Amino acid sequence: QQPVQSPQAVILREGEDAVINCSSSKALYSVHWYRQKHGEAPVFLMILLKGGEQKGHDKISASFNEKKQQSSLYLTASQLSYSGTYFCGTGGGSQGNLIFGKGTKLSVKP
Amino acid sequence: EPEVTQTPSHQVTQMGQEVILRCVPISNHLYFYWYRQILGQKVEFLVSFYNNEISEKSEIFDDQFSVERPDGSNFTLKIRSTKLEDSAMYFCASSYIVGSNQPQHFGDGTRLSIL
Repeated sequence: QQPVQSPQAVILREGEDAVINCSSSKALYSVHWYRQKHGEAPVFLMILLKGGEQKGHDKISASFNEKKQQSSLYLTASQLSYSGTYFCGTGGGSQGNLIFGKGTKLSVKP
Repeated sequence: EPEVTQTPSHQVTQMGQEVILRCVPISNHLYFYWYRQILGQKVEFLVSFYNNEISEKSEIFDDQFSVERPDGSNFTLKIRSTKLEDSAMYFCASSYIVGSNQPQHFGDGTRLSIL
């Protein structure tokens, strides 16, 4: 069962903040976040492994609410380089395969 | 920084022909994956591979597909008798350890176009 991402797309001005959500109807063992720029490979951002865990990478951070079966990605003070499609991928436990959501297209304008 | 490399970057093939997509995973990684992304859509899992065996495969990975690790460095995806709907970007990924708590590193992909 693929995770559901929202919103599908968001347009920001440079310096604005955004939140991307990822939710699942199944129990989540982990949530992976990737960013993909047009025509390029997905680039790993971070993994969240347990309920309540929060991680950060530069001005991009994420939280994982295991009980609610959801994760949120926070982009603060967005930069032009943040533009791309953000995918969350959920893991099924011991198996390594990821099931990705449909993605959220983020466009940062000057 | 070590990376996953894929060749070719673009493959154009006639429908019904066989194609082999090649990947060189990161050298100390033990788990390998193939994913597919149809233009404008999400990334879809095809297969995972460890210790010369398929670990997990999706519904997409039917008898038309096969994977192989022919030597110590290459990991290949073979598609027999290609169909128009096989046109997509194919990504190889690798991780050091198996498990959904491990990051997967993706190659740049091979764009497969079936005519």
